[in-house]
Amino acid sequence: QSALTQPPSVSGSPGQSVTISCTGTSSDVYSYNRVSWYQQPPGTAPKLIIYEVSNRPSGVPDRFSGSKSGNTASLTISGLQTEDEADYYCSSYTSSYTVLFGGGTKLTVL
Amino acid sequence: QVTLRESGPALVKPTQTLTLTCTFSGFSLSTSGMCVSWIRQPPGKALEWLALIDWDDDKYYSTSLKTRLTISKDTSKSQVVLLMTNMDPMDTATYYCARIPLLFGSFDYWGQGTLVTVSS
Repeated sequence: QSALTQPPSVSGSPGQSVTISCTGTSSDVYSYNRVSWYQQPPGTAPKLIIYEVSNRPSGVPDRFSGSKSGNTASLTISGLQTEDEADYYCSSYTSSYTVLFGGGTKLTVL
Repeated sequence: QVTLRESGPALVKPTQTLTLTCTFSGFSLSTSGMCVSWIRQPPGKALEWLALIDWDDDKYYSTSLKTRLTISKDTSKSQVVLLMTNMDPMDTATYYCARIPLLFGSFDYWGQGTLVTVSS
């Protein structure tokens, strides 16, 4: 099983919006709503920011939103802040009773 | 308050078996739907899912690593153990354990991770 496909890097200026894509297949992203997103600042453990495609855990700002269309899920961060600079990973449940992560996207806030 | 903490050797030799323990608090692995998983991250690389054990003692493994992995739990001790056989330098990584409150749902709490280096 190959990792989900994410762009290696994205960037934006403070106050702007950025979108990170996560492309899978009919065996994972397309077929299940078990898509999650994680934020990982350097040197720290990942933190859940979106679950089940578009739900935010308590405490996560509503600047973070998720969606899915076909076999591609997306994370949008609006009103970028410098503290949003981090690596972002998507994950999905698969039909093989496994979990796949994306390759990760480094967000730079210019 | 949910916490998880990984423990194990920082250094293992090639071909050895790695034993990692995840000790958790704030939840019970006997609660219906509850799961604990192991994930690893080589230095500078992406996350990789390894294994999951659920409240009913069902076990699930990464397709590519399943012949080398064994996951088990001790509910009374609030611990989950991961064994990985035949360690190789390519297995050098930070190993995390994480809680999943719904089978194959999201990892909502993570440990801080433990770095394991494989070298002779």
